[in-house]
Amino acid sequence: AQSVTQPDIHITVSEGASLELRCNYSYGATPYLFWYVQSPGQGLQLLLKYFSGDTLVQGIKGFEAEFKRSQSSFNLRKPSVHWSDAAEYFCAVGSGNTGKLIFGQGTTLQVKP
Amino acid sequence: NAGVTQTPKFQVLKTGQSMTLQCAQDMNHNSMYWYRQDPGMGLRLIYYSASEGTTDKGEVPNGYNVSRLNKREFSLRLESAAPSQTSVYFCASSDQYNEQFFGPGTRLTVL
Repeated sequence: AQSVTQPDIHITVSEGASLELRCNYSYGATPYLFWYVQSPGQGLQLLLKYFSGDTLVQGIKGFEAEFKRSQSSFNLRKPSVHWSDAAEYFCAVGSGNTGKLIFGQGTTLQVKP
Repeated sequence: NAGVTQTPKFQVLKTGQSMTLQCAQDMNHNSMYWYRQDPGMGLRLIYYSASEGTTDKGEVPNGYNVSRLNKREFSLRLESAAPSQTSVYFCASSDQYNEQFFGPGTRLTVL
């Protein structure tokens, strides 16, 4: 069965520091992979997605993610975190047939000044 | 374009009351979804509709019903609300590449 694991429930980084949020998935075929961000009291916004091709994908707000098939991972990175990046981040995998997504439990990012 | 809209934004119900959450999208998407979000549990799929006229159960369908009224609208109904249904509910629609677009959410409290 498909599943998504985000091992870190909560991460705190200093403003200006680099960031990596981990995501591991379980899926039989090549997955569609997504990262969403949710600010407090808001809906989810797509940061980036991977369908095929180049395994390093660029997203909005300076985020990028790398698909590593051998490690079943799709980690999210940002070189320098801004205070406005404080939010909850969700990794998701899609099956391609039904359009359904399976979400990880989310990682809450706190940014220290 | 408004994207995905949801009404109401907030609702308080008493146990046993019923209500319908409304969702509409203007992106001409075939697929629509209802999720609930609870602390520490991510988003869990309640029901989805792959196309107009079809609906299917997701991970947590008990206590809910849905109606795909037309291509734009997908409603979620609680027939007899329970405190366990206190949650934030999100509607989403998706294009053919699985990218889902989310509404702003409905915060429901059942007393």
